[in-house]
Amino acid sequence: GQNIDQPTEMTATEGAIVQINCTYQTSGFNGLFWYQQHAGEAPTFLSYNVLDGLEEKGRFSSFLSRSKGYSYLLLKELQMKDSASYLCAFMDSNYQLIWGAGTKLIIKP
Amino acid sequence: ETGVTQTPRHLVMGMTNKKSLKCEQHLGHNAMYWYKQSAKKPLELMFVYNFKEQTENNSVPSRFSPECPNSSHLFLHLHTLQPEDSALYLCASSQDRDGANVLTFGAGSRLTVL
Repeated sequence: GQNIDQPTEMTATEGAIVQINCTYQTSGFNGLFWYQQHAGEAPTFLSYNVLDGLEEKGRFSSFLSRSKGYSYLLLKELQMKDSASYLCAFMDSNYQLIWGAGTKLIIKP
Repeated sequence: ETGVTQTPRHLVMGMTNKKSLKCEQHLGHNAMYWYKQSAKKPLELMFVYNFKEQTENNSVPSRFSPECPNSSHLFLHLHTLQPEDSALYLCASSQDRDGANVLTFGAGSRLTVL
């Protein structure tokens, strides 16, 4: 079967680093996406990984290990505006997106 | 206007009402999607249109009826809804349905069914 899991909520401090993990199980895989969603707003695309390794985009980085069914989103130098929900989703062999329930990230001063 | 625009942003309706949600995109995308988002649950894909043809209907009750008159507009017609249908309804678009395309989402229509 297919499933995906990420923590429901995390808290971090402004200026610090936080890592949001996402684990998945699937027989067919066509990449993993991360989206950011501020309360009351549209989800927006952050990253896409299809090969193993780390991809860096400014303060945000995303990592993928296909053999372990594992990804993480790393946020550095946290700012208050990073308070949001972070959604991970993998794409299966039929290009269907399987979504996690999202991780609500709370940033404290 | 760019991006994906959804109207209305908020809607309250009774169980016997008929209403519609509208979605519009000016990105030149060929695929459009309706998702349901409930608190602490994964996004639920409802319908997919690719080049104006409905390609997916994920066992959605018939009280939800989609319409895609052209590749820029998508509607979700609602009738005789249930209180459990209260949720955020997100529209999204992508270049097309095939391949690992990035979705561009609208801000959603928050629906409350009394």
